[in-house]
Amino acid sequence: DAGVTQSPTHLIKTRGQQVTLRCSPKSGHDTVSWYQQALGQGPQFIFQYYEEEERQRGNFPDRFSGHQFPNYSSELNVNALLLGDSALYLCASSSPRGAEAFFGQGTRLTVV
Amino acid sequence: QKEVEQDPGPLSVPEGAIVSLNCTYSNSAFQYFMWYRQYSRKGPELLMYTYSSGNKEDGRFTAQVDKSSKYISLFIRDSQPSDSATYLCVLTTDSWGKLQFGAGTQVVVTP
Repeated sequence: DAGVTQSPTHLIKTRGQQVTLRCSPKSGHDTVSWYQQALGQGPQFIFQYYEEEERQRGNFPDRFSGHQFPNYSSELNVNALLLGDSALYLCASSSPRGAEAFFGQGTRLTVV
Repeated sequence: QKEVEQDPGPLSVPEGAIVSLNCTYSNSAFQYFMWYRQYSRKGPELLMYTYSSGNKEDGRFTAQVDKSSKYISLFIRDSQPSDSATYLCVLTTDSWGKLQFGAGTQVVVTP
């Protein structure tokens, strides 16, 4: 079992650009959530996708959007990047049966 | 007031000692309680998952939940240098919803 995989692992973007991050969930999981983790802080919930729909959303602006595909993989898109968007972006997947969430290694985004 | 309070540390202990970590929370709607371990620049790894008040043990790890006091703890017995990491307490109100993280406590186990 490959677990949760994210790509790319590192990314450097310029202010104002757009970025797309990708996530493949753990086998058997149908729910994907995205989190932003700033340096020295706990992860903050961005949104969750289930059955290709955004089921729940945290306090993030509309610049953050996502998508879930029929194979349960997911993308996180961020438009008009700001310096403050620099963070580790984590994808977590879970199954229909429980709250246990498994995280990927994350994508470290640096905005310059 | 943050929903989940966790002392950021760092907490330094000698090898073999017991590591004691804790979190407090304010929202009584939290029903599921987890502890994750995160090594530097890696994704969080699930250590313990509990639903009810009481104790749960798994190897060297013991998780305690006291819903009446809104207080959760994690104990690591016989600590090893490989236990050096950041430990995150994580709570959620339902089995599928968003996870609410504490800030994480950095633990350093010295040989």
